[in-house]
Amino acid sequence: QQPVQSPQAVILREGEDAVINCSSSKALYSVHWYRQKHGEAPVFLMILLKGGEQKGHDKISASFNEKKQQSSLYLTASQLSYSGTYFCGTEKISQAGTALIFGKGTTLSVSS
Amino acid sequence: GAGVSQSPRYKVAKRGQDVALRCDPISGHVSLFWYQQALGQGPEFLTYFQNEAQLDKSGLPSDRFFAERPEGSVSTLKIQRTQQEDSAVYLCASSLDQGRAFFGQGTRLTVV
Repeated sequence: QQPVQSPQAVILREGEDAVINCSSSKALYSVHWYRQKHGEAPVFLMILLKGGEQKGHDKISASFNEKKQQSSLYLTASQLSYSGTYFCGTEKISQAGTALIFGKGTTLSVSS
Repeated sequence: GAGVSQSPRYKVAKRGQDVALRCDPISGHVSLFWYQQALGQGPEFLTYFQNEAQLDKSGLPSDRFFAERPEGSVSTLKIQRTQQEDSAVYLCASSLDQGRAFFGQGTRLTVV
């Protein structure tokens, strides 16, 4: 049930754009995006709750295609501060409740 | 407190030793999650509490791992007879509902 992220790594120059994809073999009810810098805790970026929903702040945005069971994170005009590992999280829903399951991550390196 | 607090930040244990890792979630947060994060990997789900009830423990790798949250607030992850493969960062996260999860800084466990 773990979501699959692609690509595994992205190397960018400042100002370039990137797209990180997250897909699931199970139906998606929501998608969470987090960024983790080396040695730090994952930090919440955004959550998409409805199929077709798009969200964003600053130059980071995301879309959620419920039918395709996938979400994409868009980083526009990247800055050095965008470097880190990006994780998407999906909900594992069972009779026991709802747990948040993460993908293996996409490492983004932005250089000047 | 203002955020999720985990202690200790670092723990070195001799193989075979028992360890206890503490998580103090944000006050009022109903959901609490434990994750294991190996170097360069995404957070792997271990277990999930809703208040004091452990709803999902399917991610616990063996019966040496045990988690509790007796009063629905502070949680403890206990690992008995630690093995080298238990070396990882253990992350705790809490959330008010199935929304945004707030992560602690993690406990880095090294088994020697």
